[in-house]
Amino acid sequence: DQQVKQNSPSLSVQEGRISILNCDYTNSMFDYFLWYKKYPAEGPTFLISISSIKDKNEDGRFTVFLNKSAKHLSLHIVPSQPGDSAVYFCAASGTGAGSYQLTFGKGTKLSVIP
Amino acid sequence: DSGVTQTPKHLITATGQRVTLRCSPRSGDLSVYWYQQSLDQGLQFLIQYYNGEERAKGNILERFSAQQFPDLHSELNLSSLELGDSALYFCASSVVDGAYGYTFGSGTRLTVV
Repeated sequence: DQQVKQNSPSLSVQEGRISILNCDYTNSMFDYFLWYKKYPAEGPTFLISISSIKDKNEDGRFTVFLNKSAKHLSLHIVPSQPGDSAVYFCAASGTGAGSYQLTFGKGTKLSVIP
Repeated sequence: DSGVTQTPKHLITATGQRVTLRCSPRSGDLSVYWYQQSLDQGLQFLIQYYNGEERAKGNILERFSAQQFPDLHSELNLSSLELGDSALYFCASSVVDGAYGYTFGSGTRLTVV
């Protein structure tokens, strides 16, 4: 049973436009959400996070939105740049479980076309 | 370079064998996490150590074990290997137990033939 789902395996966006990556979760105990970016032959790199007490967090070109009632979060990248081409993983954690392990989605491969 | 060092980068071994994957955490980090990424799968949490003690366990097989040594490096031991154990194994570290946004190493790619 996949508790974190990224339903789009891939996404192509023109340079300069907005990239929107989506993520859904099923576990109501999740209260912290993160996005990681992964380039080939490298480990995932932390990008941005959001606590369940917020509905938006912004860091430069990256904004994460959280809709708790829909159990949905999204990552917006504006404007998209060719260097943003990578696999993006959504991850979630539930502090109530007493552990800070992360549950990851399968990832979305973003291609930004120059 | 993330500061988390994993060795070896690649490993090819036969079914039934045993291997050891090594992870050196970022300087100052006390927590070490191990994750497995199989083909077309997200990263699956295996186990977490904090300052030498096991802190949390995920879906880690009984054939797999791990430990964290006094110098804080960690080893993941995989035994009686099966074809399905072929995967990328990532180690990550963080400063304290429960810190989010931890730092990943570049992984060890294990191929079982």
